[in-house]
Amino acid sequence: GENVEQHPSTLSVQEGDSAVIKCTYSDSASNYFPWYKQELGKRPQLIIDIRSNVGEKKDQRIAVTLNKTAKHFSLHITETQPEDSAVYFCAASRWGNKLVFGAGTILRVKS
Amino acid sequence: GAVVSQHPSWVICKSGTSVKIECRSLDFQATTMFWYRQFPKQSLMLMATSNEGSKATYEQGVEKDKFLINHASLTLSTLTVTSAHPEDSSFYICSAPVESPYNEQFFGPGTRLTVL
Repeated sequence: GENVEQHPSTLSVQEGDSAVIKCTYSDSASNYFPWYKQELGKRPQLIIDIRSNVGEKKDQRIAVTLNKTAKHFSLHITETQPEDSAVYFCAASRWGNKLVFGAGTILRVKS
Repeated sequence: GAVVSQHPSWVICKSGTSVKIECRSLDFQATTMFWYRQFPKQSLMLMATSNEGSKATYEQGVEKDKFLINHASLTLSTLTVTSAHPEDSSFYICSAPVESPYNEQFFGPGTRLTVL
């Protein structure tokens, strides 16, 4: 089955700096890669996703890149703000199928 | 976006009792729903896939006789934790994919279960 590894487990950055979180997946048939932000006690919120037919997607301060050959994808957050502090999860799936989540990254943005 | 609700949002029960959690898709139909469990400071782990009108598919290591899943309609799936024990205390979250066009999954708000 699919296995998703996520690094780093914790990340501290200064406000205004960039943050990068990386994930690798094992199932070459996976074609959908979402990123979620989760605050304590809340549901995961989709912040950006990418399908296997594109290599990069950007939405304001957030971008995701996908390297299908290497089976890894990354989340990039620029100009970080204190409200970006949360736990971030990557996930992988085949469309409509179950999501397999990475272990999560605790992002702390210091002001 | 699509809306998924869960009820209750939190529940406290005594060891040995059963607890039912409901997951509803409010504005779309879901032939499939997913149930996840999340322990503190851990990731979401898929427990089972709920299929409308047929048996649920359980992930390896999840006891199907302990975690009963019923998907009786296109908008409702229920998870019943039977004979709950303190180690079942966790955050249970459901999700449902919108089938067109990209199968994005929408999560319920989660249910915090505490077993005393």
